[in-house]
Amino acid sequence: DTAVSQTPKYLVTQMGNDKSIKCEQNLGHDTMYWYKQDSKKFLKIMFSYNNKELIINETVPNRFSPKSPDKAHLNLHINSLELGDSAVYFCASRQVTGGPSEQFFGPGTRLTVL
Amino acid sequence: GENVEQHPSTLSVQEGDSAVIKCTYSDSASNYFPWYKQELGKGPQLIIDIRSNVGEKKDQRIAVTLNKTAKHFSLHITETQPEDSAVYFCAASSGYQLTFGKGTKLSVIP
Repeated sequence: DTAVSQTPKYLVTQMGNDKSIKCEQNLGHDTMYWYKQDSKKFLKIMFSYNNKELIINETVPNRFSPKSPDKAHLNLHINSLELGDSAVYFCASRQVTGGPSEQFFGPGTRLTVL
Repeated sequence: GENVEQHPSTLSVQEGDSAVIKCTYSDSASNYFPWYKQELGKGPQLIIDIRSNVGEKKDQRIAVTLNKTAKHFSLHITETQPEDSAVYFCAASSGYQLTFGKGTKLSVIP
């Protein structure tokens, strides 16, 4: 079973459209994350939820809105897509309560905005 | 907040040689230091990690060292193989957030 899964794997869309990326983890972790990886490979944290509560909200355009319906899911909705949103988006999860532990990443969603 | 610097940004080694990647961090409260390997088209995967109460950890050809006083940690890969070619990230954490270095692209030349 895949620990952290994301859908879709590839997303090609036009500027101005609205799209969503879904993430699920089956590890029982209490914390989930969204990262953006640009062409230079830098992993930039966007959001983090702990037990469905938003705990990290980096400087990200408000066109990006995360939503965590439960501990196992963290979705990312993007409104009015722009060319600069093209990147690979990674979901990750980690058990924070109880001390330092491994963070698991999903396979990524490659978003291309035309 | 935490700041992690990683060097070098690119590294080419001959197969069989050793590779060393170095990172420094700024927050003395950081207590967890993982290293991730990212292959083309995949998500980062943990290869080794170290906690602040340990100075060195080894797993087969991979070792990590931590100097808390100097706030730096290093990844050592011995007897490199072509399949070690990838982008490697160091990270530091003191709580919820992992702060990543900018990555090192390692190329192992057969």
